[in-house]
Amino acid sequence: KQEVTQIPAALSVPEGENLVLNCSFTDSAIYNLQWFRQDPGKGLTSLLLIQSSQREQTSGRLNASLDKSSGRSTLYIAASQPGDSATYLCAGWEETSGSRLTFGEGTQLTVNP
Amino acid sequence: DAGVIQSPRHEVTEMGQEVTLRCKPISGHNSLFWYRQTMMRGLELLIYFNNNVPIDDSGMPEDRFSAKMPNASFSTLKIQPSEPRDSAVYFCASTREHGTGGSTEAFFGQGTRLTVV
Repeated sequence: KQEVTQIPAALSVPEGENLVLNCSFTDSAIYNLQWFRQDPGKGLTSLLLIQSSQREQTSGRLNASLDKSSGRSTLYIAASQPGDSATYLCAGWEETSGSRLTFGEGTQLTVNP
Repeated sequence: DAGVIQSPRHEVTEMGQEVTLRCKPISGHNSLFWYRQTMMRGLELLIYFNNNVPIDDSGMPEDRFSAKMPNASFSTLKIQPSEPRDSAVYFCASTREHGTGGSTEAFFGQGTRLTVV
């Protein structure tokens, strides 16, 4: 069974700092990996999708990488802002009986002004 | 596009009552997922439809839960009878093809917060 782990569970940083969130998965059968953001009481917002054939994706201040051989993905946030405060979730797409998206437990990020 | 639309946003019901959650996926998406989120267990996949057909319902906790997708633009998740331990946020997500090779990107609705008292 696929397991997705995120480290750290919580992170507090001062504004302007660059930071890295980590995600690891147990089964290299993951073919894509997706990063989401969730604000309190809200739904999940898709940030980046890394396809199996890619190694990284960038959107603005966000950069996500995927290394299937080591079972790891990282989300890099440059020049963090208080508005970045949220829970960040990674999820791996795996081809089982059809497609299945398995989530990690998330990293709760607080960016202090 | 308005995104994935779920209703109601909040539902409070008494134990034993029937609860129906509704979802309208993004137009053109051909896969739909129901997830449940709790503090204890995080996000759990309940059931997954592809082209309106249930593909994987192994996450449905018990027979009290049922889901239908009568057409490409509507799905329901029903709990009958509801119990306090069903209290959670229920999310619906839909997917589209992204690029080539059959890869997918999921988009989530805002969720339905269910409280069973």
